Amino acid sequence: AQKVTQAQTEISVVEKEDVTLDCVYETRDTTYYLFWYKQPPSGELVFLIRRNSFDEQNEISGRYSWNFQKSTSSFNFTITASQVVDSAVYFCALSDGNTGKLIFGQGTTLQVKP
Amino acid sequence: DTEVTQTPKHLVMGMTNKKSLKCEQHMGHRAMYWYKQKAKKPPELMFVYSYEKLSINESVPSRFSPECPNSSLLNLHLHALQPEDSALYLCASSRPGTGLGELFFGEGSRLTVL
Repeated sequence: AQKVTQAQTEISVVEKEDVTLDCVYETRDTTYYLFWYKQPPSGELVFLIRRNSFDEQNEISGRYSWNFQKSTSSFNFTITASQVVDSAVYFCALSDGNTGKLIFGQGTTLQVKP
Repeated sequence: DTEVTQTPKHLVMGMTNKKSLKCEQHMGHRAMYWYKQKAKKPPELMFVYSYEKLSINESVPSRFSPECPNSSLLNLHLHALQPEDSALYLCASSRPGTGLGELFFGEGSRLTVL
């Protein structure tokens, strides 16, 4: 069965600190997609990144970077020099290979204090 | 600004009321989704429409009735709800197809059932 685990329920950092959000997944599919979404207090879920199972290259987008390691079934997300606007709930998700449904982790609440 | 528009943003209804949630997108997406999200929990998939046809119903109670009048609109008709149905209801859209998962979410409709 597919599963996504975000072990960190809440993280609190001070502005300008770097922070890493962990995501571990389980799947028997050979082809799958992994995602990160951000949910600010406004409520909408904002797509951040999609990674397919054949592409283990790390990715950097501004202050955001992602580390995908199939050997450890992890897809971790790092925010460099965090800002107050980064405060949100972050969800890691796995796409079911058969149905395309998104399987979400429980989410990590990040609080960045000024 | 989100490209998926949901109305109303807030709705309070009694258990005997009939109301509807509306969702609209103009990105040309042909897959649309309803998710339900309880506080501090990840979104849970309710329904998926692909090319205006219901493709996934996650065993949702019949008091929730989805409707997709055209490729841009998605409704969720509510009748005889229970207080435990109080939640944030998120609409999303995407290009149809397995594994894409790049869902674009609206800001949600926060429903309170008295």
